[in-house]
Amino acid sequence: DAGITQSPRHKVTETGTPVTLRCHQTENHRYMYWYRQDPGHGLRLIHYSYGVKDTDKGEVSDGYSVSRSKTEDFLLTLESATSSQTSVYFCATVDRVDQPQHFGDGTRLSIL
Amino acid sequence: AQSVTQPDIHITVSEGASLELRCNYSYGATPYLFWYVQSPGQGLQLLLKYFSGDTLVQGIKGFEAEFKRSQSSFNLRKPSVHWSDAAEYFCAVATNQAGTALIFGKGTTLSVSS
Repeated sequence: DAGITQSPRHKVTETGTPVTLRCHQTENHRYMYWYRQDPGHGLRLIHYSYGVKDTDKGEVSDGYSVSRSKTEDFLLTLESATSSQTSVYFCATVDRVDQPQHFGDGTRLSIL
Repeated sequence: AQSVTQPDIHITVSEGASLELRCNYSYGATPYLFWYVQSPGQGLQLLLKYFSGDTLVQGIKGFEAEFKRSQSSFNLRKPSVHWSDAAEYFCAVATNQAGTALIFGKGTTLSVSS
């Protein structure tokens, strides 16, 4: 989706290092989400935000933190990356529940 | 708890044949329902959505889906599959919980044989 940019698109790092993924939107949507995609699991919610500085945990939030200081940016941080966090991470946004979410192109993260 | 089940992990269909991908959901009220498609290495593209009204919804690329409340199902169909339809398909539901986050099924991989 042209209105959502994820960076970086690919990253390889080592166990124990901090990692921050960025999601930037130009849609001015209220809600923003981080999902991870793993084979055989579909997409699972990590954290979400319902406004600036308003965030909450999702299904698989352990080991992750998020921040949203501006409407357009939603950061996902792995404080100390582990190999189990190797995954593809997707950001999504939506303004209302009766609208479909828009997805970014994903970040492929490998932790060695 | 809400959940989405896609019973078929992998389906192979001949090109030109019809397709039906199954999706069942668990939710107390009528949810908002979606089908997304993902080609290898790509993001998710919305195929169609159901919010209310007509239970047969049309989407892009010739896909349609039917919402059946009595069966808690939202199956995806296409009358004639093309080789370019080979991809992974995800059914998802949105509720008013977790800030309208989506709950996804585990996906169905579609292969198309010639």
